[in-house]
Amino acid sequence: NAGVTQTPKFRILKIGQSMTLQCTQDMNHNYMYWYRQDPGMGLKLIYYSVGAGITDKGEVPNGYNVSRSTTEDFPLRLELAAPSQTSVYFCASSGRLSSGGEYEQYFGPGTRLTVT
Amino acid sequence: GQNIDQPTEMTATEGAIVQINCTYQTSGFNGLFWYQQHAGEAPTFLSYNVLDGLEEKGRFSSFLSRSKGYSYLLLKELQMKDSASYLCAVRDGSGNTGKLIFGQGTTLQVKP
Repeated sequence: NAGVTQTPKFRILKIGQSMTLQCTQDMNHNYMYWYRQDPGMGLKLIYYSVGAGITDKGEVPNGYNVSRSTTEDFPLRLELAAPSQTSVYFCASSGRLSSGGEYEQYFGPGTRLTVT
Repeated sequence: GQNIDQPTEMTATEGAIVQINCTYQTSGFNGLFWYQQHAGEAPTFLSYNVLDGLEEKGRFSSFLSRSKGYSYLLLKELQMKDSASYLCAVRDGSGNTGKLIFGQGTTLQVKP
């Protein structure tokens, strides 16, 4: 299993450009998440999905959009990029939750995005 | 509100023991996770606590007290490769979403 894969690894955008960050998992996980991590900070949840066709906002959704048409893929779309979106973006997935189950999140390698 | 506090930085000596504390105030609770993150890499899972007490995994142990909103990660026999950031995260207890709320992380530097 490849686990969680993300593309691209690095990207430089100009202000106002758009792009899609790709995320794919091959573990048949229902739950998928997008985080951003600013230097020296923890992870902030942008959007999440509990299954194909279902998405919801996290803590910092403004400026982003997601879709979940399949179990495997959870792309993150940036429209009209701004310097405040310069960050490292991590995608994660976890298995079906039961009450109190461990089901840790597995993280992709990240995408380092700079908006100038 | 949701708040998770960890010390920003810690330094310890190779071979020693270090304890990284985490306190949390969250609207719901469905387990606490510790992740390790080396510079420039993704977080990787270390431990999970949902009941009070100590969980041990080799050189790493994690403790939870739900009544105090407190956890710690204990690293024994420190090695240079343990230099990393350690992230405390609480799983949201509202709904079945699996959402995690992360602290800012504690950067641990292990010196020879």
